[in-house]
Order: sequence, then structure tokens, then C-alpha cells
Amino acid sequence: GAGVSQSPSNKVTEKGKDVELRCDPISGHTALYWYRQSLGQGLEFLIYFQGNSAPDKSGLPSDRFSAERTGGSVSTLTIQRTQQEDSAVYLCASSLAKQGSNYGYTFGSGTRLTVV
Amino acid sequence: KQEVTQIPAALSVPEGENLVLNCSFTDSAIYNLQWFRQDPGKGLTSLLLIQSSQREQTSGRLNASLDKSSGRSTLYIAASQPGDSATYLCAVGAGDSNYQLIWGAGTKLIIKP
Repeated sequence: GAGVSQSPSNKVTEKGKDVELRCDPISGHTALYWYRQSLGQGLEFLIYFQGNSAPDKSGLPSDRFSAERTGGSVSTLTIQRTQQEDSAVYLCASSLAKQGSNYGYTFGSGTRLTVV
Repeated sequence: KQEVTQIPAALSVPEGENLVLNCSFTDSAIYNLQWFRQDPGKGLTSLLLIQSSQREQTSGRLNASLDKSSGRSTLYIAASQPGDSATYLCAVGAGDSNYQLIWGAGTKLIIKP
């Protein structure tokens, strides 16, 4: 597509429920990133995909968080047993970046998650 | 460990003024530096990307410079307009792997009509 698409744009869920956030990157972008931005805070790196593999999962806050990417395209970020501290805007970005290259990043509009 | 700092945290200027936003980083071994704007409740819009081999990039009323040796970048906005009001974020592509962005906390800019 023309840009990075994220869905849903807003999600309100009850504490303890599982949620799935979706990211559809720019066609041909091999690299995909998930970030989280809590209210009034900077961006927090969650996970990076190169193709379908995730070389770096170090940013995932806990084992309740997982992500996958299939077909080198769409990615889903799953949060199990949501907690109120999971409330944030979840941002996805894609890039042509590969090891040693030097490309910029395009972000989606984000999913605003509210856990009540 | 790479750290990115943006000063000031907030800035308010009258419409029409030229202004400069600052970004500094502690490790000069960067792959690139990118400036973004973020409007309230929205995602990030990429403004300018400067590769490590470049000194500046320009787009319309925006000009971004990069001085790796001093660990500094500036974003110059000419003839500011109320529509420029947003939070401006700088991020460096750095680290052992070139994929991860290290972010500044941003400068919140308000342009007064």
C-alpha cells in the first residue's frame, strides 16, 4: 500500500482480556518495527522484524506480549491478559532497512489502546 | 550507550518567526538521523532524513543539519505558521545493528497566531 496501515485505530478493552493489533507495512519493506508511546512519554522500542524473523525481541515488556509476521508483510502484536499499564499508543513502522543499509522509517498512525 | 537529547522541551513563538530546534547525541557513530513531527493523538510524520555522510537536507521551509563530530543536529523552520504547531522528535539510527532508532523526548512547538 501507499503507507503503513494500522488497525484498529482505537481499542478499548477490559483488564484481563487479550488484544491483537495489526500492522500492514509498505509493500516491499523488509523491516518492520513496533514501538509503544505512553501518555507524555517518549517512544519505547518493542520488537523488530527482518522478513518474518525477529532478531531483537528485547523490548517486549513481559511474556504477555508477543508478535509475529507472516509472508514478510503483515504483523500482529498480541497482548495477553491486558493490564492498565498496557494503555498506550502502539506504533508500527516499516523500512527498506537491512543490515548495513541506511534507510529511513515510515510510521503508521498508531493504535490507541485503553485498558479499563 | 547512545543518548539523544532535545532542547528546549517546549517552545512558543509568534507566527512568522524563524526558529531552530536542537538535537544532540552522545555517540557520533550513527547511520542516519531523522526528524519527525507528531500531532496530538496521531502518529509520526517523517520530515527529513539525513544520512551519516550528509551535512543537511531541505524540504520547503524546513532545513535540517547534521554535525556528527559534535553530536548535533538542528531543525530550522523558516517563517513559522500556526500549522507548524506540533511535537518535533529527532531519532538516530545507531547501535550494533542499524535498525533501531534512539529517540529524543521531543520539543513541543506552539506557534501563536
